[in-house]
Amino acid sequence: EPEVTQTPSHQVTQMGQEVILRCVPISNHLYFYWYRQILGQKVEFLVSFYNNEISEKSEIFDDQFSVERPDGSNFTLKIRSTKLEDSAMYFCASSATGTLGDTQYFGPGTRLTVL
Amino acid sequence: KNQVEQSPQSLIILEGKNCTLQCNYTVSPFSNLRWYKQDTGRGPVSLTIMTFSENTKSNGRYTATLDADTKQSSLHITASQLSDSASYICVASGGSYIPTFGRGTSLIVHP
Repeated sequence: EPEVTQTPSHQVTQMGQEVILRCVPISNHLYFYWYRQILGQKVEFLVSFYNNEISEKSEIFDDQFSVERPDGSNFTLKIRSTKLEDSAMYFCASSATGTLGDTQYFGPGTRLTVL
Repeated sequence: KNQVEQSPQSLIILEGKNCTLQCNYTVSPFSNLRWYKQDTGRGPVSLTIMTFSENTKSNGRYTATLDADTKQSSLHITASQLSDSASYICVASGGSYIPTFGRGTSLIVHP
């Protein structure tokens, strides 16, 4: 069964450094998403992406964040200058059509630890 | 501000028993409500999706209901199994796709 994959599974970085989290969505999906979950807290939406453009973004997704689809298979989240509060699990998800009733498939997540 | 409240926060049941989890939302305008299962350290897995016009949706032993008038949803799990132990998350979305997640109900199924 097709699945969303994410690399790395765990990333440790120093405050102020740039990190790139990578995701490979399901191959025929057109809509892509990033979420984060701070330890012990609820999942939070960051951004949705379709047709090489951001569709929606939350207040969390400020100028420190950017997303890109550099090729036909990868979808990346870049954090330019990490802060301690960026430590969280980051989930990528994809869906086929992005319509109201469409299922989103989540990856296993990347745990980001900022020291 | 859009909010999703879930209850109970945690629940312990015996294997084979049924249980019902509750979700109240204040999302306007409202377009759809989703229930996810999240195992510890894993990504959420979709259980059910209901648009504003649907009242109930089943997926195996999971049945979700939606009352858009009272802004309430429930997830009923029938004949629980040990593998049902997880966090169950309610998510409500409005006119634009910016979902609001609940904190989840932590379910523990004991043998």
